[in-house]
Amino acid sequence: ETGVTQSPTHLIKTRGQQVTLRCSSQSGHNTVSWYQQALGQGPQFIFQYYREEENGRGNFPPRFSGLQFPNYSSELNVNALELDDSALYLCASSRTDHSGANVLTFGAGSRLTVL
Amino acid sequence: DQQVKQNSPSLSVQEGRISILNCDYTNSMFDYFLWYKKYPAEGPTFLISISSIKDKNEDGRFTVFLNKSAKHLSLHIVPSQPGDSAVYFCAASPRAQFYFGTGTSLTVIP
Repeated sequence: ETGVTQSPTHLIKTRGQQVTLRCSSQSGHNTVSWYQQALGQGPQFIFQYYREEENGRGNFPPRFSGLQFPNYSSELNVNALELDDSALYLCASSRTDHSGANVLTFGAGSRLTVL
Repeated sequence: DQQVKQNSPSLSVQEGRISILNCDYTNSMFDYFLWYKKYPAEGPTFLISISSIKDKNEDGRFTVFLNKSAKHLSLHIVPSQPGDSAVYFCAASPRAQFYFGTGTSLTVIP
């Protein structure tokens, strides 16, 4: 069983640029969520994709957008980068445990630095 | 607006003793709660969960307690082991979105 893989692991961008982060879901999972974790904070929900459509969104501006592909992999795109976008971006895919609820399986994250 | 709070940024415990990590939440619509453990340079890994219809769930050395009236949950680790040293996040969910606390860094001293 392969886990959640994310790429790239680290990247550096400058203000105003655009970035695309990629995620491959764990096999058997069909839902992908993206989280932003700033230094010293807990993960903050960006959005979730299910069946290639956005299925919930947190308090992030429209310049944060995403895609989910038929193989359940996903992309997070951020336009017009700002310094405050510097963070660890975590992708998580979902399964249902014995209680019928969802458990998130996280990747190791992509660390974005905006200069 | 932090809907899930972990008020202790760090905790140190002797090996073999009990570790108790606490978490408070404000939204009464939350009905599912999880604990995650995170090592440096790795993503958070799922530890244990509890739904709002229960007040306790055990899995080996890990037990989660939920007090709905107080909007409080806690994670007990007994006995604590050096490999348990990590950052622990609690998370709560009404549905698709999970709200995370800021984490508690646990150090288990050999």
